[in-house]
Amino acid sequence: AQTVTQSQPEMSVQEAETVTLSCTYDTSESDYYLFWYKQPPSRQMILVIRQEAYKQQNATENRFSVNFQKAAKSFSLKISDSQLGDAAMYFCAYRFNTDKLIFGTGTRLQVFP
Amino acid sequence: EAQVTQNPRYLITVTGKKLTVTCSQNMNHEYMSWYRQDPGLGLRQIYYSMNVEVTDKGDVPEGYKVSRKEKRNFPLILESPSPNQTSLYFCASTPFSSLNTEAFFGQGTRLTVV
Repeated sequence: AQTVTQSQPEMSVQEAETVTLSCTYDTSESDYYLFWYKQPPSRQMILVIRQEAYKQQNATENRFSVNFQKAAKSFSLKISDSQLGDAAMYFCAYRFNTDKLIFGTGTRLQVFP
Repeated sequence: EAQVTQNPRYLITVTGKKLTVTCSQNMNHEYMSWYRQDPGLGLRQIYYSMNVEVTDKGDVPEGYKVSRKEKRNFPLILESPSPNQTSLYFCASTPFSSLNTEAFFGQGTRLTVV
């Protein structure tokens, strides 16, 4: 069965600094999709970034980028130039062949001024 | 505006009193799902639907029912709620066309069963 693991329940970062959130997953499939979602205090689920497994190039979206290591089944999120508005719960998620998303347990990110 | 609308956003109820959480999407998406979010467990799929009149169990379906009579609506029904169903619930929809497409989530429903 596919699983997603986020081993950091909480992380903190100083404003303007860089932070990396870890995610590992387990699957026997070769073609799948990975996502990072942000959940601010408003509870809204916001897509931050997505990665297709067959693409070797790491996805980037402005200050957000991923380090996708397919062989190691690792999908970490790097947030550069952290801002106060980045404070939120971050979920890593996996999808294969259906609409079902398999989520990790989340990492709560605090940003200090 | 493309959106998934859940109602209510907050609900406190008593054990055994039937309730329905509504979900509606205006994007003509085929797939719709319900998830529950619990601390330390992330989000887990309860039920999903691939189209009208097609529903199936997710990972944690016990104690829940769903229906899909219209493409836009996918209500979640708790026939006899119990305290262990206290949770944050999300409805989501996705177009059938591509699995890398963003899933659109509703605003969430905070349910407390006392």
